[in-house]
Amino acid sequence: KAGVTQTPRYLIKTRGQQVTLSCSPISGHRSVSWYQQTPGQGLQFLFEYFSETQRNKGNFPGRFSGRQFSNSRSEMNVSTLELGDSALYLCASSPRTSGRSNEQFFGPGTRLTVL
Amino acid sequence: DQQVKQNSPSLSVQEGRISILNCDYTNSMFDYFLWYKKYPAEGPTFLISISSIKDKNEDGRFTVFLNKSAKHLSLHIVPSQPGDSAVYFCAASHHAGNMLTFGGGTRLMVKP
Repeated sequence: KAGVTQTPRYLIKTRGQQVTLSCSPISGHRSVSWYQQTPGQGLQFLFEYFSETQRNKGNFPGRFSGRQFSNSRSEMNVSTLELGDSALYLCASSPRTSGRSNEQFFGPGTRLTVL
Repeated sequence: DQQVKQNSPSLSVQEGRISILNCDYTNSMFDYFLWYKKYPAEGPTFLISISSIKDKNEDGRFTVFLNKSAKHLSLHIVPSQPGDSAVYFCAASHHAGNMLTFGGGTRLMVKP
């Protein structure tokens, strides 16, 4: 099976711009979660989507949003970029059996640099 | 408030010896725990997990131990190999959720 893919792998933006990142989960996986990794805060949960619905949300401002399509592919959007948004954004997919936690499998990440 | 902590930022071990990585948690609602390995510029790679109904899970060279009363888990790697050199993260979640709370990571260096 192909793994989780994320595009683009690298991105440079300037403050105030917006950005959209894309994630294709492992075939058959219906849950997609997004994480942000920074040197200061470590790995932090952004949100989870399952069957096109946001199921969980982390402690991030409303500038961070996402969505999931019927084929389970997901996008996340960050509006009005700030310097502190520079990070590695990781997408993870999971089979997510309802009511159980599952192993999550991560993609390679998108490295976002905000200038 | 850090709900998952890895108190050792780094660990150095000789090849062939045992590596023991530790993790503590504070949230009693956590009932599923995972270990991931991460290389720079790559996403974390799943290693092993354990449910709170167990106290040990083994997969090849990797064994995870869970002590619920102490809210402590550990990952044992035996024997350690140079290719095991990476950053190891423990993570926790609670039932019906895929929201992982990660520790800060431990950098393992296995010397030949």
